[in-house]
Amino acid sequence: KAGVTQTPRYLIKTRGQQVTLSCSPISGHRSVSWYQQTPGQGLQFLFEYFSETQRNKGNFPGRFSGRQFSNSRSEMNVSTLELGDSALYLCASSFSGGPFYEQYFGPGTRLTVT
Amino acid sequence: AQSVTQLDSQVPVFEEAPVELRCNYSSSVSVYLFWYVQYPNQGLQLLLKYLSGSTLVESINGFEAEFNKSQTSFHLRKPSVHISDTAEYFCAVSDSGGSNYKLTFGKGTLLTVNP
Repeated sequence: KAGVTQTPRYLIKTRGQQVTLSCSPISGHRSVSWYQQTPGQGLQFLFEYFSETQRNKGNFPGRFSGRQFSNSRSEMNVSTLELGDSALYLCASSFSGGPFYEQYFGPGTRLTVT
Repeated sequence: AQSVTQLDSQVPVFEEAPVELRCNYSSSVSVYLFWYVQYPNQGLQLLLKYLSGSTLVESINGFEAEFNKSQTSFHLRKPSVHISDTAEYFCAVSDSGGSNYKLTFGKGTLLTVNP
């Protein structure tokens, strides 16, 4: 079974630009969560999508948004990039969300904002 | 709000030595607890989890963790580590199994196993 894939793996953007990251979950999984990982703040929850609906959201500004398509693939978008947005962005998929179904993480997209 | 504290940011040990990675959490309600491992340039992998029942949980590669409600701790232990255990380990907590489910992670502990 193919794992969670994230594209692109590496990205360099300039402050003020916007960026879109993509996540393809494991086949059959309907829940996709996004996390931001930085050395200073660690892993922080961004949002979770289930069946094309945002079900839960972390404490990030509105510049961070996402969506999920009918095939469960998900994208997250960051507008007006700031230097502090440089991070590893991880997505995780699970069959249905919640603690009883394991979350499988992708390798991440490394975003560098200059 | 829930939070997780991993007391050691780095733990160096020699191969075949025992190791304990410490994790404390705060939450006002019942919790679910997890340990994840992250190898270099990879995503996180679930190592073990506590949902209910026996307070001692084990992984397939020799790690174990014990849920201690009175101490609000979920320390990870292994009696004899291998070079291949070198990785970053994250403790995580969730206090809901409903639609507001999300994981709150600690800052991580880098375990380095030296020959």
